[in-house]
Amino acid sequence: GAGVSQTPSNKVTEKGKYVELRCDPISGHTALYWYRQSLGQGPEFLIYFQGTGAADDSGLPNDRFFAVRPEGSVSTLKIQRTERGDSAVYLCASSLFPLSASSYNEQFFGPGTRLTVL
Amino acid sequence: ELKVEQNPLFLSMQEGKNYTIYCNYSTTSDRLYWYRQDPGKSLESLFVLLSNGAVKQEGRLMASLDTKARLSTLHITAAVHDLSATYFCAVTLNAGNMLTFGGGTRLMVKP
Repeated sequence: GAGVSQTPSNKVTEKGKYVELRCDPISGHTALYWYRQSLGQGPEFLIYFQGTGAADDSGLPNDRFFAVRPEGSVSTLKIQRTERGDSAVYLCASSLFPLSASSYNEQFFGPGTRLTVL
Repeated sequence: ELKVEQNPLFLSMQEGKNYTIYCNYSTTSDRLYWYRQDPGKSLESLFVLLSNGAVKQEGRLMASLDTKARLSTLHITAAVHDLSATYFCAVTLNAGNMLTFGGGTRLMVKP
């Protein structure tokens, strides 16, 4: 079946603008995760959804970042007043259940959205 | 705070050679993941290691886990050019739901 998809694949914006990044998880996956990967580094956790609710948003860097998952499937990561330091690849992942629910559970990653803030 | 460290950060090796990538983590975890990332691509799951002494092998790659030492290794046997990529290990805290990644090891296999 289809994997995790993300749109757009690339987004170039100007400092101060608002952007939305979309993630379509694997069908039936209840858990959804957003990560941010800066050049040459490993992904860093941003937020985790279980169903429609944000179960852990401890990785969001500040209140300019917000994410929603209103129907428990598609998620949108929203960034207000973008800054050059927000430039990175934003990765979305999904898993059938939360990682803690099953030892054999794992996250499947999408192709990412490369955000460039000029 | 959970910290995950990989070494080396960069590895250049000749085809046919063997080498090991190391992943250390700072606090108790109940599972460890290895991912592969090709340039400009997303992460591909390689292994999930669940218990102390776990060993998994796929082709020329073999991963092991020592939970007492908080150490995982990814061993490459008789490297081939197709293995060139960046390899990440990642760990979850017990009963946690997010992955904490190491900084990655960029592997370049020269023909």
